[in-house]
Amino acid sequence: AQSVTQPDIHITVSEGASLELRCNYSYGATPYLFWYVQSPGQGLQLLLKYFSGDTLVQGIKGFEAEFKRSQSSFNLRKPSVHWSDAAEYFCAVGAGDYKLSFGAGTTVTVRA
Amino acid sequence: DAGVTQSPTHLIKTRGQQVTLRCSPKSGHDTVSWYQQALGQGPQFIFQYYEEEERQRGNFPDRFSGHQFPNYSSELNVNALLLGDSALYLCASSLTGYEQYFGPGTRLTVT
Repeated sequence: AQSVTQPDIHITVSEGASLELRCNYSYGATPYLFWYVQSPGQGLQLLLKYFSGDTLVQGIKGFEAEFKRSQSSFNLRKPSVHWSDAAEYFCAVGAGDYKLSFGAGTTVTVRA
Repeated sequence: DAGVTQSPTHLIKTRGQQVTLRCSPKSGHDTVSWYQQALGQGPQFIFQYYEEEERQRGNFPDRFSGHQFPNYSSELNVNALLLGDSALYLCASSLTGYEQYFGPGTRLTVT
């Protein structure tokens, strides 16, 4: 069965600084990979997805992620964070059985 | 274009009771998945409905059941509620099954 690990529970970053959130997955083949963002008390919003092809994918809100097969990773990046990026971020993997398996999430705090 | 909608927003129930949560998918989507998100955790897959049938099920007991209607909307039913069922219940819709778009969720509190 597939699984996802997000090693960082909480990250604090200054406004305007760069952000990188880590995601590692466990699956025998190439999975479908996703990043979602969740604001307090809200549902999840899809930031970006990787199905195949170019390993660097662009998403909404200025986010991008890079799939590295050799490292089983799909890290999320943003060059310059805004205060509105404070939220919880979830990495998810789909592996041929239609369900998404989520990591435990990383909480991002943005300081002024 | 309306996104995924869920009702109710919040719900308080007593142990042993039964609850029904509702979901309308995004326009054009035909597949509905349900997830349970406990406080401080990532969502856990409950099941997915496609063509009015349960296509895939996660590791949840039979107390959790669902239904999909001809208009693709869906219900999640939970019987014999336990305190541990308190969570945010998320509905997600999709066309392919994988690229899932989530609703705002229903916050269920069991007392």
